[in-house]
Amino acid sequence: DIQMTQSPSTVSASVGDRVSITCRASESISYWLAWYQQKPGRAPQLLIYKASRLQSGVPSRFSGSGSGTEFTLTISSLQPEDFATYYCQHYDSYPYTFGQGTKLEIK
Amino acid sequence: EVQLVESGGGLVKPGGSLRLSCLASPFSFSHSAMNWVRQAPGKGLEWVSSISATSNYKYYADSVKGRFTISRDNAKNSLFLQMDSLTVEDTAVYYCARVGGEAPYYFDYWGQGTLVAVSS
Repeated sequence: DIQMTQSPSTVSASVGDRVSITCRASESISYWLAWYQQKPGRAPQLLIYKASRLQSGVPSRFSGSGSGTEFTLTISSLQPEDFATYYCQHYDSYPYTFGQGTKLEIK
Repeated sequence: EVQLVESGGGLVKPGGSLRLSCLASPFSFSHSAMNWVRQAPGKGLEWVSSISATSNYKYYADSVKGRFTISRDNAKNSLFLQMDSLTVEDTAVYYCARVGGEAPYYFDYWGQGTLVAVSS
């Protein structure tokens, strides 16, 4: 099975900061990677698919990059509503797996 | 707006069974593969199972294989998860999720989840 590892596990930042989260796959997944945002008590929401494609309705301050085994989610200028937990997920082959999550906290 | 509404969760004893349902609207459910994903309390997301649009293909995580069965009724826009031989490790919020685009599939819409608690 393909393992997904996110770093860091927690990041503290302030409104207006630029933040990047890394996701590494244990083997190449081409660009079959998605990023989700989850707020407490809510379902996950899709932000990015195919490593860099922005889901409709998602603000342009979110961007994704990478291919193969290393991927990055970047938020260019943090807004108050962005403080949440972020998950990467590969969908290259079954079983699909998620990263362990990165909690974005207010500094 | 796509809506996915799960139901059927609850408290069950170890070794027991539950059947989860997910009612979908208003999209072409019969043309969309569907999935179940779970999240244990305070933990991350775990993919559980996927089913193709016509039920020809079904996939399961190793942790549930042989105990859980995914199915669907396209005439009723409904997805199901039959869960047997439940253990405390199956305690989680269970989400149904629609696939986006073409294969391979990411999950573009999620339901609000239904809580399954396995405890004696």
